[in-house]
Amino acid sequence: DGGITQSPKYLFRKEGQNVTLSCEQNLNHDAMYWYRQDPGQGLRLIYYSQIVNDFQKGDIAEGYSVSREKKESFPLTVTSAQKNPTAFYLCASSGRGGANEQFFGPGTRLTVL
Amino acid sequence: QKEVEQNSGPLSVPEGAIASLNCTYSDRGSQSFFWYRQYSGKSPELIMSIYSNGDKEDGRFTAQLNKASQYVSLLIRDSQPSDSATYLCAVNAARAGSYQLTFGKGTKLSVIP
Repeated sequence: DGGITQSPKYLFRKEGQNVTLSCEQNLNHDAMYWYRQDPGQGLRLIYYSQIVNDFQKGDIAEGYSVSREKKESFPLTVTSAQKNPTAFYLCASSGRGGANEQFFGPGTRLTVL
Repeated sequence: QKEVEQNSGPLSVPEGAIASLNCTYSDRGSQSFFWYRQYSGKSPELIMSIYSNGDKEDGRFTAQLNKASQYVSLLIRDSQPSDSATYLCAVNAARAGSYQLTFGKGTKLSVIP
């Protein structure tokens, strides 16, 4: 089955810890994205990558970091510098080209204790 | 600043009625428009894409685009309780080669049996 997987589904973090969220896709998509969703809010773009070994900051990149060493993988690290990390994190991917239909993984819900 | 506006709702319709969801956008050069459905606690699911002025139908769903008025809508015919969800409007940035989407905050739809 083609799709996007994210792990873990739920993640609890103590203040001051860094945590890494996993995102893997087997759709052969070039572009991958990380979004954050807070209750009652739309999706806000954290980082995106259009090609391996290249990524760009989105609207709310402060306190986050990413890497894109493989086409299939785009992990997100939430660092201790992120002041309010409790949120629903969504990974998406899209193929190269004008349509830019983005498809989402199931999400990771991060809670800071 | 790119903006996508949606009424937050909730929009309540009786089962079997037509649900009409609306979205306006600020970036006049936007080219691609998407509707996502998001059930509570789940990730967004792409249900419609539209790229040119007019109507696009897919089953019970019809997307309508009017670029002159910077307006896109989603009609759901014969609404079912299973359609109860939050519907997100997303718009592709107008910059050449841009893969980014801007999302509205979503309209919550409730279909009453």
